Amino acid sequence: GAGVSQSPSNKVTEKGKDVELRCDPISGHTALYWYRQSLGQGLEFLIYFQGNSAPDKSGLPSDRFSAERTGGSVSTLTIQRTQQEDSAVYLCASSGTSLAISYNEQFFGPGTRLTVL
Amino acid sequence: GENVEQHPSTLSVQEGDSAVIKCTYSDSASNYFPWYKQELGKGPQLIIDIRSNVGEKKDQRIAVTLNKTAKHFSLHITETQPEDSAVYFCAARRRSGNTGKLIFGQGTTLQVKP
Repeated sequence: GAGVSQSPSNKVTEKGKDVELRCDPISGHTALYWYRQSLGQGLEFLIYFQGNSAPDKSGLPSDRFSAERTGGSVSTLTIQRTQQEDSAVYLCASSGTSLAISYNEQFFGPGTRLTVL
Repeated sequence: GENVEQHPSTLSVQEGDSAVIKCTYSDSASNYFPWYKQELGKGPQLIIDIRSNVGEKKDQRIAVTLNKTAKHFSLHITETQPEDSAVYFCAARRRSGNTGKLIFGQGTTLQVKP
């Protein structure tokens, strides 16, 4: 079956422009995550959606970052007024639901490489 | 705050040798510890995980050990092969609440020389 997909795979933008990154999770997965991976670094948590619950936005680095998840499926991460330090790979992951939420495997997409000139 | 430290940052071994990557976590409420392998241009892929009620888990050439008292966990790869070359990440997730976010280590670049 299809895994997590992300688009675009690469995005080059100019400083100050807004960008939208899209994530299509695995069908039926109720949890969706966004992470950011800077060059040579680990993954930094950004935001987490679980069903109809309020999202965990604790990882968003500034108010220029926002994310939506429409209809409990597709998610869009929006970065307004991009800065050069926003350049990174943005990874999306999804997981299913079980009684033990803590143990659900996260399946990652291939990421979107964002370059801000 | 929550933090995961991973060492070494790079590791080079000869094919057939063993490789060990170590991580330390700060949040004592963490109860789930996955390891991910990331190949160039791809997203991370889960290779093995361990829960806090288990001290060791093995899957063929890969094993993970957990020391809750010391808040350490390690990945062991035996009989390494060139296709094991990749970046490996450890992560930790806490027990409480419904948040599923993972706290990742900084990654280890493993090179297996033929």
